Amino acid sequence: EPEVTQTPSHQVTQMGQEVILRCVPISNHLYFYWYRQILGQKVEFLVSFYNNEISEKSEIFDDQFSVERPDGSNFTLKIRSTKLEDSAMYFCASSELGGMNTEAFFGQGTRLTVV
Amino acid sequence: GESVGLHLPTLSVQEGDNSIINCAYSNSASDYFIWYKQESGKGPQFIIDIRSNMDKRQGQRVTVLLNKTVKHLSLQIAATQPGDSAVYFCAENKGGSYIPTFGRGTSLIVHP
Repeated sequence: EPEVTQTPSHQVTQMGQEVILRCVPISNHLYFYWYRQILGQKVEFLVSFYNNEISEKSEIFDDQFSVERPDGSNFTLKIRSTKLEDSAMYFCASSELGGMNTEAFFGQGTRLTVV
Repeated sequence: GESVGLHLPTLSVQEGDNSIINCAYSNSASDYFIWYKQESGKGPQFIIDIRSNMDKRQGQRVTVLLNKTVKHLSLQIAATQPGDSAVYFCAENKGGSYIPTFGRGTSLIVHP
């Protein structure tokens, strides 16, 4: 069964450092998303991406964040200068379509710990 | 200090019982709703969805009920099993957006 894969599963980084979280969406999917989940809290939308550009983003997704699809398979989230409060699980998701009734498939997540 | 947000609503049931998990959504313009299951250390997994023009939809062992009048969504799980233990999130696609917005989550604990 096709699945969204994320690497690494756990990333520890020093405050102020840049991190890149990687995702391989399902191959025939066209819409890609990043969400984050701070421990014990709800899953929060960060950004969606379609046709090589950001289609929606939340207030959380400020200038410290960027996304890229560098090739035909990877979808990355970059945090330029990490802060302690960026520590969270980051989930990548993809969907075949972007309209209503479109199921988004989630990866297993990357746990980011900023120390 | 207090850890705000670490205490999810919790539903404890015995194996074999039926479970009902409730969710109040925020936006009357939302037109699509999804229930996700999240097991420990994993990403959210789609369970069932429902459009706003329906009030009930059934899957295998799960039923979703939608009451638009009071903006309430529920997930019923029949004959709950230990493998159903997880955190359950409702999500809504707010009108005009295809982005699922997640609710807070309910922790379901199934005792054998």
